[in-house]
Amino acid sequence: AQSVTQLGSHVSVSEGALVLLRCNYSSSVPPYLFWYVQYPNQGLQLLLKYTTGATLVKGINGFEAEFKKSETSFHLTKPSAHMSDAAEYFCAAPLDQTGANNLFFGTGTRLTVIP
Amino acid sequence: DAGVTQSPTHLIKTRGQQVTLRCSPKSGHDTVSWYQQALGQGPQFIFQYYEEEERQRGNFPDRFSGHQFPNYSSELNVNALLLGDSALYLCASSFNRFSNQPQHFGDGTRLSIL
Repeated sequence: AQSVTQLGSHVSVSEGALVLLRCNYSSSVPPYLFWYVQYPNQGLQLLLKYTTGATLVKGINGFEAEFKKSETSFHLTKPSAHMSDAAEYFCAAPLDQTGANNLFFGTGTRLTVIP
Repeated sequence: DAGVTQSPTHLIKTRGQQVTLRCSPKSGHDTVSWYQQALGQGPQFIFQYYEEEERQRGNFPDRFSGHQFPNYSSELNVNALLLGDSALYLCASSFNRFSNQPQHFGDGTRLSIL
């Protein structure tokens, strides 16, 4: 079964600084990987997805992630943090190898942006 | 274009009661999945409905049941509520149920058990 691990439950960055949120996956086959963002008292919003093809994936709000098979990583980055980026971020992968799109979520990383 | 809508927004129940949560998928979507998100944790998969049948189920007891209607909307029912059932319940819909199709989430129903 696939799983993802998010390193760092809390990350703080200054406004304008680089954002780096870490996610590692475990699987023996090329995965489908997703990043979601959750703002307070809201549901999850899809930031970006990796299916196949280009390993650098661009998402909404200036975020991007790079699929690195050699490192089994799918880290989320943004060159310059904005106050509005403060939220909880979840990395996710398909739950198993059945081909269904139900997801296993990481434990989440809470991003704080310091003015 | 309406996204995934869930009702009610908040709900308070007592132990032993039963609850029904409702979800309307995004326009054009035919597959609905339900997740439970406990405070401070990531969402956990409960089950998925497609063509009015439960297609996949996570590690949840059979107190958790569901239904999908011909218009693709769905209900989540929980019987004999326990304190541990307090959580945010999220509904997600997708264009189909294949693993490369992203799921789109509603804002959830926050269930509190007293």
